[in-house]
Amino acid sequence: DVKVTQSSRYLVKRTGEKVFLECVQDMDHENMFWYRQDPGLGLRLIYFSYDVKMKEKGDIPEGYSVSREKKERFSLILESASTNQTSMYLCASSFNQGALIGNTIYFGEGSWLTVV
Amino acid sequence: QKEVEQNSGPLSVPEGAIASLNCTYSDRGSQSFFWYRQYSGKSPELIMFIYSNGDKEDGRFTAQLNKASQYVSLLIRDSQPSDSATYLCAVTPIQGAQKLVFGQGTRLTINP
Repeated sequence: DVKVTQSSRYLVKRTGEKVFLECVQDMDHENMFWYRQDPGLGLRLIYFSYDVKMKEKGDIPEGYSVSREKKERFSLILESASTNQTSMYLCASSFNQGALIGNTIYFGEGSWLTVV
Repeated sequence: QKEVEQNSGPLSVPEGAIASLNCTYSDRGSQSFFWYRQYSGKSPELIMFIYSNGDKEDGRFTAQLNKASQYVSLLIRDSQPSDSATYLCAVTPIQGAQKLVFGQGTRLTINP
């Protein structure tokens, strides 16, 4: 079974703090993703990485950065947390199977972040 | 126009009936279509995917794809209370085919 593990399930942080969300996958997937999910807005892509040290902005990258130093690990960084970043954050991974065929994305359990 | 649109519901279906979930997409070049199920407080899990026009069956689930109409649906036969969840439609866009674009999800409730 594919395993995508997010290190923190529930976090409470103060405004202005730097926040790290860690994600590890054990399936040797090339692609890794960070999404956030909010009521009424659905799943929105923050950042995408298709290889070590490679990253691509998603739909809502503002206020976030990412790091991928190893293939299995993808970190999301909130440089200065704000209350509007309170959300559920989902890490995901997939194989790179070619340009036309979509790739099944597997999700981690999610990290619930509250910024106060 | 949103890239992937779903009726947010809630959709209420009696136990044992067929639940029908619908999704439309705007990118005519999209090639791959996925249905995920998400229980409250949990992460999405894949139900099935479809690439070709027509029907694809997996147990009680049937995905239907009509690329000409840019429409994909999920049918759940013999609905059970355990099917109560939010169902997310996801599409691979022609640009950036490694990513999935998700609809907002349809909340489905199966009434015993």
